[in-house]
Amino acid sequence: GAVVSQHPSWVICKSGTSVKIECRSLDFQATTMFWYRQFPKQSLMLMATSNEGSKATYEQGVEKDKFLINHASLTLSTLTVTSAHPEDSSFYICSARPSLNTEAFFGQGTRLTVV
Amino acid sequence: KNQVEQSPQSLIILEGKNCTLQCNYTVSPFSNLRWYKQDTGRGPVSLTIMTFSENTKSNGRYTATLDADTKQSSLHITASQLSDSASYICVVSDGSNYQLIWGAGTKLIIKP
Repeated sequence: GAVVSQHPSWVICKSGTSVKIECRSLDFQATTMFWYRQFPKQSLMLMATSNEGSKATYEQGVEKDKFLINHASLTLSTLTVTSAHPEDSSFYICSARPSLNTEAFFGQGTRLTVV
Repeated sequence: KNQVEQSPQSLIILEGKNCTLQCNYTVSPFSNLRWYKQDTGRGPVSLTIMTFSENTKSNGRYTATLDADTKQSSLHITASQLSDSASYICVVSDGSNYQLIWGAGTKLIIKP
């Protein structure tokens, strides 16, 4: 199947700093990518939908100024966690689909720990 | 309200045994139903995807069934292996906006 690469796979940062996570679709173009957050023993929670060339659509309760999303090209979306706090520590996963009703492919996830 | 419910929440079986995981949904309109396997600390990996007209789909030792009338799906794992230990997540695609509605998952543990 198609490959979605997410980087880094884990990161530790200090409170107050910003962290950028990259999501790339390696062998297909994705006009839409999705960012999820997953807490331990819970399922994935959609944070936002990233649209190439336009602003991201955020789910209710997700702060758009804290979680900056940029979909710079058809193969790259980035999520920046700004002014990170320990409560932002979580597992972040991106997903991309060639088109809306096709298979969704997931990155390997990024474990963020804020200390 | 669109919801996906999975049962059991967790399951422990011995290696070599079979098991069946359940998924009930209330998503409407329905587009498709997917089963994912997620290893701890990894992103989900697709096992099967079924549309309205498909009743059964297999992927190796994994067989998914779909009853669109009762809005139920199951994932049957045959001859389980230690590597099958993971969370199995049922996801239904909303046919109006193709948003994915996620179940909470079933945590499966295979013991030797």
